[in-house]
Amino acid sequence: NAGVTQTPKFRVLKTGQSMTLLCAQDMNHEYMYWYRQDPGMGLRLIHYSVGEGTTAKGEVPDGYNVSRLKKQNFLLGLESAAPSQTSVYFCASSYARFSYEQYFGPGTRLTVT
Amino acid sequence: GESVGLHLPTLSVQEGDNSIINCAYSNSASDYFIWYKQESGKGPQFIIDIRSNMDKRQGQRVTVLLNKTVKHLSLQIAATQPGDSAVYFCADRDRHPHAGGTSYGKLTFGQGTILTVHP
Repeated sequence: NAGVTQTPKFRVLKTGQSMTLLCAQDMNHEYMYWYRQDPGMGLRLIHYSVGEGTTAKGEVPDGYNVSRLKKQNFLLGLESAAPSQTSVYFCASSYARFSYEQYFGPGTRLTVT
Repeated sequence: GESVGLHLPTLSVQEGDNSIINCAYSNSASDYFIWYKQESGKGPQFIIDIRSNMDKRQGQRVTVLLNKTVKHLSLQIAATQPGDSAVYFCADRDRHPHAGGTSYGKLTFGQGTILTVHP
């Protein structure tokens, strides 16, 4: 099993550009999450999904959109990137909603210039 | 707002020593406290948890201590090895509203402590 995978691993965007981050999990987990990690601020929840076709806002959702068309995939979109979105993005999944045992992907380092 | 914070951002130890990583929390409505380990270039990995009604929990070479009186959590690593070098995060989970929580299930992560083990 690959667990949770993320693509791409690195990306540089110019302000105003758009992109989509892809997360895939092969553990048949119902619940998936997108976090961002900034220095000195820990992990903050952007959006989450409790099942195929459903999404909800987390702590810092502004500027991001998500979709969960298939159970194994969770997409994070930036429609118009801003320098404040420079961060490392982590996807996670779990068996249960907000299970404290979440499985994380390796992360995507995004720089917006 | 509620937050989980760490006392020290970095910790350096010699191989074989015991390591203690501390964490302060502020949410009295947390039902679980969790430790994650993040190695360089990887995502966080669950290490161990402790329920709020417990004071101590032991795993393999790790022990979690919870002091609810002073809202303090610690992770002890015995006989620290170079492979333990990583960033360690504490996190807490908010409990159900019926039990006093305001954001049920939400995980709040601390800022992280960098543990460096010298051979």
